[in-house]
Amino acid sequence: SAVISQKPSRDICQRGTSLTIQCQVDSQVTMMFWYRQQPGQSLTLIATANQGSEATYESGFVIDKFPISRPNLTFSTLTVSNMSPEDSSIYLCSVLEAFNYGYTFGSGTRLTVV
Amino acid sequence: DAKTTQPTSMDCAEGRAANLPCNHSTISGNEYVYWYRQIHSQGPQYIIHGLKNNETNEMASLIITEDRKSSTLILPHATLRDTAVYYCIVRPPGYALNFGKGTSLLVTP
Repeated sequence: SAVISQKPSRDICQRGTSLTIQCQVDSQVTMMFWYRQQPGQSLTLIATANQGSEATYESGFVIDKFPISRPNLTFSTLTVSNMSPEDSSIYLCSVLEAFNYGYTFGSGTRLTVV
Repeated sequence: DAKTTQPTSMDCAEGRAANLPCNHSTISGNEYVYWYRQIHSQGPQYIIHGLKNNETNEMASLIITEDRKSSTLILPHATLRDTAVYYCIVRPPGYALNFGKGTSLLVTP
């Protein structure tokens, strides 16, 4: 299965600033997704990262707050903009190599906003 | 997409089989059953998935009823390292997985 490198693994950021999280995959993948996991909660889908076009966002998430790029089939970034303490969460990248495979998840980025 | 119902928590003695049930009575014909687990603070780990036939791999077995309205994940010999939250997800391939609350499995010595 695909191997995902997600960076940074953790960060502590000041409110009002932005953080860009990178997701690098060791092989070309069909689909890439970004999730958020708030403390003590399950995973919530933020968006599907589409190669060469705008991401598809889920209800409650907007591009201005969570801009996403996917320039090729192996790389994507998620930016958390104008952060507040409520953005403190684990952010996870997930990929699907092929439709008959399982989905693979990165190890996540633990973000704390102070 | 089909919703799933799982028990909130379960216990299992180390060395015994852990049988985790999942109800998905509104499953559609093209939806697969996926099982993932999340060990504290780590990314979800893929366990197994299937459409209608029973599946087995090195980690677990997946038993899907003939009407596909429910399934059971079997960990044949549970160890302490299997303590985790287990998620049963029903989705067509190519769509993002939607996570519910899952089952918190505690394996005890």
